[in-house]
Amino acid sequence: GENVEQHPSTLSVQEGDSAVIKCTYSDSASNYFPWYKQELGKGPQLIIDIRSNVGEKKDQRIAVTLNKTAKHFSLHITETQPEDSAVYFCAASKPSNTGKLIFGQGTTLQVKP
Amino acid sequence: EPEVTQTPSHQVTQMGQEVILRCVPISNHLYFYWYRQILGQKVEFLVSFYNNEISEKSEIFDDQFSVERPDGSNFTLKIRSTKLEDSAMYFCASGGQGTTGELFFGEGSRLTVL
Repeated sequence: GENVEQHPSTLSVQEGDSAVIKCTYSDSASNYFPWYKQELGKGPQLIIDIRSNVGEKKDQRIAVTLNKTAKHFSLHITETQPEDSAVYFCAASKPSNTGKLIFGQGTTLQVKP
Repeated sequence: EPEVTQTPSHQVTQMGQEVILRCVPISNHLYFYWYRQILGQKVEFLVSFYNNEISEKSEIFDDQFSVERPDGSNFTLKIRSTKLEDSAMYFCASGGQGTTGELFFGEGSRLTVL
């Protein structure tokens, strides 16, 4: 079945540095790739997404890149701040009438002041 | 900003008891979901619901689970006879478009089965 692998599981960076989280997906029919941020005790919140007709998307300090050939997509956070500390999940979805998301395992990002 | 709301935030129950988790999706959304997250693990899909019926369910969603949209606003997940392994955070989500559209998640209901 569909699978999404996410690496690394934990990432620690100094404030101001960049952070990169990578995901691979197994189903080549997947065409929607959101990234969610989950703070302690809260539900996942969408921070950025990309569709398969686009190779890169940027929103201020956050960017996502997609390589459809390799079935990879990555989240890039520049100029990290302590409030970026959270668990980040990638996900993938394919065209269907259900909109189901398959999530990666999550990356715990710690930004040290 | 519209949001998905869930109740209760935390429920403790004895093994074998029935539990109902409630969700109020965003009002103009048509697609509804339940996901669960066992502590420290990934978020897992349980079930999707559209047009008053289940559109897809995972292997986890066995006969002990059921969903219902009893009125125009609530979306519920019922676990008929809880097991220890049902202890998890359960997230409700809703979306305006079923085909690869953005999903909005609630804050979750933590279920502890003793």
